[in-house]
Amino acid sequence: EDKVVQSPLSLVVHEGDTVTLNCSYEVTNFRSLLWYKQEKKAPTFLFMLTSSGIEKKSGRLSSILDKKELFSILNITATQTGDSAVYLCAVVGTGNQFYFGTGTSLTVIP
Amino acid sequence: DAGVTQSPTHLIKTRGQQVTLRCSPISGHKSVSWYQQVLGQGPQFIFQYYEKEERGRGNFPDRFSARQFPNYSSELNVNALLLGDSALYLCASSLRAANPNLGNNSPLHFGNGTRLTVT
Repeated sequence: EDKVVQSPLSLVVHEGDTVTLNCSYEVTNFRSLLWYKQEKKAPTFLFMLTSSGIEKKSGRLSSILDKKELFSILNITATQTGDSAVYLCAVVGTGNQFYFGTGTSLTVIP
Repeated sequence: DAGVTQSPTHLIKTRGQQVTLRCSPISGHKSVSWYQQVLGQGPQFIFQYYEKEERGRGNFPDRFSARQFPNYSSELNVNALLLGDSALYLCASSLRAANPNLGNNSPLHFGNGTRLTVT
């Protein structure tokens, strides 16, 4: 059965901290892994990763994929209250179907 | 350009009723997918449509059906509603088709969803 597992389920940090969110997967015919940020309604796209070892970076956020060990991490440095959200990991498999994890709920305290 | 638009934003129905949710994709996007997101969970895949044809279906009962129109907009129908159907229903559009022979996927772009409450 295809599955995507995220950890931790929730996280509470103080502004300025650095956090690492984890995503492991078992998905047939892996095509890509994506990270999304969901604040209230629509998940918004952050990164798409297809190759191992190549870091994607956008401001304080970065992500990397390890296709051998079947996992990805999302790092957020110098966290701000606006980073508070649920972070979703999705893996694209057979038939270009997207499999989502349950998400990591991040709360950044001022 | 407008993003993915969904209507209505909220809906309250009683058990046994039927509901129709609507979605308009980003201009130029031909693929539309539907997801169900229960509180505290990630989105679960329901359907994917491309060029008016169903290209994928998740593990949902036959009470769930969908279609895509020539202008690429889509409707999701749910019959004989159950309490467990209460969820946020997300529509997403993308550029790429559900064709495994095509190259890397383009990301899904989500609408704000329809919050369905079944009482």
